[in-house]
Amino acid sequence: DAGVIQSPRHEVTEMGQEVTLRCKLISGHNSLFWYRQTMMRGLELLIYFNNNVPIDDSGMPEDRFSAKMPNASFSTLKIQPSEPRDSAVYFCASSPGLAGGTGELFFGEGSRLTVL
Amino acid sequence: SQKIEQNSEALNIQEGKTATLTCNYTNYSPAYLQWYRQDPGRGPVFLLLIRENEKEKRKERLKVTFDTTLKQSLFHITASQPADSATYLCALDMSGSARQLTFGSGTQLTV
Repeated sequence: DAGVIQSPRHEVTEMGQEVTLRCKLISGHNSLFWYRQTMMRGLELLIYFNNNVPIDDSGMPEDRFSAKMPNASFSTLKIQPSEPRDSAVYFCASSPGLAGGTGELFFGEGSRLTVL
Repeated sequence: SQKIEQNSEALNIQEGKTATLTCNYTNYSPAYLQWYRQDPGRGPVFLLLIRENEKEKRKERLKVTFDTTLKQSLFHITASQPADSATYLCALDMSGSARQLTFGSGTQLTV
């Protein structure tokens, strides 16, 4: 299996622009997590889905952030409009269901976002 | 509020020695605790999971202990090698749902 695949790996954009980050889950995994990592705040959970349904989005910082899971293998995280303080590395992680797993997360390589 | 603290931001250790990293948490009793390794520019990679009813778990040169009374986990790397240099993160499910991991800030280990 190729693992969790994220794109783009790097994104540089200007303040006010829309940013879309993409994530492909590992086949057979049914939970999807979006994390954001910064030097100041470390890894923060933004939102998580189970069986394509958003379960907890309390970590999403503002209404400018939205996440979707249109099917069982793919998710997007959108920031509109982007601001310089959104600059961070965004990670997607997937996990098999509880019955088949231990809660272990499989992370992608991350998308490094820079908002100028 | 719930909190996870890892002992130090950086730890330098001589090759061949045992590295010991600490993870402390407050105001919660997790069912399990996990340790991850993160290399620069990469995503975290799962290393070990230890459950609340387990005192110790080993995997090759890695050993994790879990003291629910002290609310502390220790992560040991024996016979450390330069290739062990990385940031190590502990993570707990603090939501009660066994589905959401909260991560510590990490300890950067240099061998």
